[in-house]
Parts: sequence; C-alpha cells; structure tokens
Amino acid sequence: DVKVTQSSRYLVKRTGEKVFLECVQDMDHENMFWYRQDPGLGLRLIYFSYDVKMKEKGDIPEGYSVSREKKERFSLILESASTNQTSMYLCASSSVTGDTEAFFGQGTRLTVV
Amino acid sequence: AQSVTQPDIHITVSEGASLELRCNYSYGATPYLFWYVQSPGQGLQLLLKYFSGDTLVQGIKGFEAEFKRSQSSFNLRKPSVHWSDAAEYFCAVGHSSGGYNKLIFGAGTRLAVHP
Repeated sequence: DVKVTQSSRYLVKRTGEKVFLECVQDMDHENMFWYRQDPGLGLRLIYFSYDVKMKEKGDIPEGYSVSREKKERFSLILESASTNQTSMYLCASSSVTGDTEAFFGQGTRLTVV
Repeated sequence: AQSVTQPDIHITVSEGASLELRCNYSYGATPYLFWYVQSPGQGLQLLLKYFSGDTLVQGIKGFEAEFKRSQSSFNLRKPSVHWSDAAEYFCAVGHSSGGYNKLIFGAGTRLAVHP
C-alpha cells in the first residue's frame, strides 16, 4: 500500500520558534509538494520539489523554506513561526509524468501561539 | 492562468438523494482533472481522474464525473448519497510545466448529509 507519512498530526509551537514539518514517501516519486489548507481557500501550494536538492516556489512561499536531501523525504521549515501560519499542512508526492495523481499524507495541524 | 472554481461552498442533501458537485476550470490545453475527498481530520483521497478518452469517468465509492469541454466543467455525481459521504470535496486540475506536474485546487465543497 502506497504511503505518504507526515511526522506529526498535531503541533503547537510558540511565535518565533523554528518549526520543521517532515514528510516521507515510499513510492520512489520524483515530485513532492507542500500545501497549506485553510477554510474557504482550498489547498494552496507553498513549495514543491521535482528532484533531490531541487525546489521551486509555489503560490505562497513567504515565511517558508524547504529541504530535500533524499528522494523520499521533503521537509517544510518555518524559519520564525507566526500566528498567521496556524493552519493544516499537507504533503503530497507524485510521479514525474503528468497523468498520475498526487498521493497525500494525513496532514499536520499546526497551531502557533 | 490556470484556475479551478467550485461555486458551492456548502451543500446539504438527504441520505438517499442524488448529488451533483460543480467544478469549472480554466486551462489552456487538454486538462488532467481530479476529484479528491477529505474526511474530517484526514488527508485527501482520490475519487476519480480524467486524462483522455471517455468523458464519463467512474470512481470509487459509487461516484462518477463527466468532462464537458464546451462548458469547461467536470462535475461530480452520485445517484444515492450515504451518510458516510459527508466530507469535503476538492476538484483539481493538473498542470505540467518543465517536466514536472502540480495540482491546482478549487476551494472545496463541504457536503452535509441529513438522515
């Protein structure tokens, strides 16, 4: 069974903390994504990566960075967490060809206080 | 620019009633289209997808969707809704560029089911 695993389901962090969200996939997918989900806004792409050490900005990259040192792992980093980054974060992976769907993790609900 | 519109934010139906969730897209080429479902507190699960061929696509859990190029639509349907279908539904279009692909999502439609 294919799987995308996010390291935490729930996180509570303080304003100004550096926060790491980890994602691992076991499907040998080239592409990995970080989305942010907020009510009424759907899923918005933060960053994506199409290869190890490669990354591209999505629609809302401000305040975030990413790291992909290994093919199976994609990390989202909040350099200095702020309350407006309280949200649900979803990781996904997909094959390099355009006709395959993305597989999603269970999500991490981050609260910044 | 590519975009996806789901006009209905909330829909409530009675159990056993039919369902149609609307999705309109804006995309310059032939689109790859997807419907995902998200149960409370969960990630997204693929219901069905359209890439080419037959414009009526069958998915899991008794769902189907029809691609209508003339209307730029990809509406999701189910003939008889079950209480367990209560969830949020997302339509997405696949965008390929530079050898990699990404999904652009609509805002979602939250479905409530009355007993």
